[in-house]
Amino acid sequence: DGGITQSPKYLFRKEGQNVTLSCEQNLNHDAMYWYRQDPGQGLRLIYYSQIVNDFQKGDIAEGYSVSREKKESFPLTVTSAQKNPTAFYLCATNRGYTEAFFGQGTRLTVV
Amino acid sequence: SQQGEEDPQALSIQEGENATMNCSYKTSINNLQWYRQNSGRGLVHLILIRSNEREKHSGRLRVTLDTSKKSSSLLITASRAADTASYFCATERIQGAQKLVFGQGTRLTINP
Repeated sequence: DGGITQSPKYLFRKEGQNVTLSCEQNLNHDAMYWYRQDPGQGLRLIYYSQIVNDFQKGDIAEGYSVSREKKESFPLTVTSAQKNPTAFYLCATNRGYTEAFFGQGTRLTVV
Repeated sequence: SQQGEEDPQALSIQEGENATMNCSYKTSINNLQWYRQNSGRGLVHLILIRSNEREKHSGRLRVTLDTSKKSSSLLITASRAADTASYFCATERIQGAQKLVFGQGTRLTINP
């Protein structure tokens, strides 16, 4: 069953800890994106990748890192340098100039 | 930086009425897309309109695009309570790094 899967659905991070959010797709799409959404706000672009082994910073990349070693996978690491990481994180994928498909999101909370 | 800006930020109407949301953007685009988000969920694609198109329909949805004014509108006709959600426009640029950039969204509430 084709689609995009984010995990986990909920994630709790302690102060100073790095955490990694998973995003996997089996749609054979080249482009993948990570967005951050704060309550009642729009989506802000963190990182995006148009091809394996290449990615670009979005508008709010500080405190985050990504990798794109496989076409299917685009994990996002929230590092300890991100001072306010509590948010809803969304991963998306598209073929380029076509509709994007979104995962169900990961809600990250600092405890 | 947000490429698309939606207007209004919130809209509340009665069931059966039409809802209109507007989106403005800044740079030349390849296409503009509208998405819907139910609370706490991922986004669902509604409709894509390319820069050489002026109007597009899908069921109760009608989207227009005016590239000279860098604006788009989404009309939902005969609204239903189930249409209650947030609606976002997103743009993909013609040149340079291809990225999908979203606006702040319009929160639509349909009252029964």
